[in-house]
Amino acid sequence: NAGVMQNPRHLVRRRGQEARLRCSPMKGHSHVYWYRQLPEEGLKFMVYLQKENIIDESGMPKERFSAEFPKEGPSILRIQQVVRGDSAAYFCASSPASALGDQYFGPGTRLLVL
Amino acid sequence: AQKITQTQPGMFVQEKEAVTLDCTYDTSDPSYGLFWYKQPSSGEMIFLIYQGSYDQQNATEGRYSLNFQKARKSANLVISASQLGDSAMYFCAMREGSETSGSRLTFGEGTQLTVNP
Repeated sequence: NAGVMQNPRHLVRRRGQEARLRCSPMKGHSHVYWYRQLPEEGLKFMVYLQKENIIDESGMPKERFSAEFPKEGPSILRIQQVVRGDSAAYFCASSPASALGDQYFGPGTRLLVL
Repeated sequence: AQKITQTQPGMFVQEKEAVTLDCTYDTSDPSYGLFWYKQPSSGEMIFLIYQGSYDQQNATEGRYSLNFQKARKSANLVISASQLGDSAMYFCAMREGSETSGSRLTFGEGTQLTVNP
C-alpha cells in the first residue's frame, strides 16, 4: 500500500507564475489536509477537503490560493501569481474514512519563488 | 493565543544519554490527541508517538515515551539512549475537532535537537 504521494517534490517558479501542487492520498483515504511550513517555522494548517468538498479552508490565504479534491484524481493546491513569500514546504496528509483518523503525511513539495 | 508551545528552540544531548523535549498545550476540548513528529534535514515528517486525552497510561514507542501530565497540559517527549541519527527538528502537535470539522493538527514551532558524539 503506497503512502501519500506528492509531486513535484521541488518546484521553482518566477514571481507571477502559477504553482500547482498535487497530492495523492493513501488508498482508501477520503480526507486530505494541506499544511504550509515557512522557513524555520512549524507547519500551519491551510485546508481540509473530502472528495469534491472543501470542509474547512480557514487557514488558506483569501487570495491567490485554491484547493480541490475531485472525485477522480489527486488533490490539487493551486497558487496563482506566486510571490517570494509563498516559498515554503507544502505538506499534504490524508486520513481514512473517519474524520478523526490518524493523518499520514506525504514527503512535501518545496516551492521556491525566484 | 498559542495552542502548542515548545519553549526550547534548540537542545543538545550527548550520545547515549536521555533528553526531554518540552511541549505544553491549550484546549478546552475534552477530547484531543497529542502527537510528536520528527523532521530530519531531508524534510519529511516522521510520526513518532501519539497520546489520547483519555489514555490512562503514558504512550511509549521503543526509545520514545511521552510524559503526559493532563492537569499541567504538558506532553513532553522523552528520548532515551540518544543516537546520532536522532539529530533533527521535533514538532509537537495537537488534534482537536469532531467528525464534522475533521482533525486538523496544530503544530508547535519545533525544537532542534543535536546529538553530540
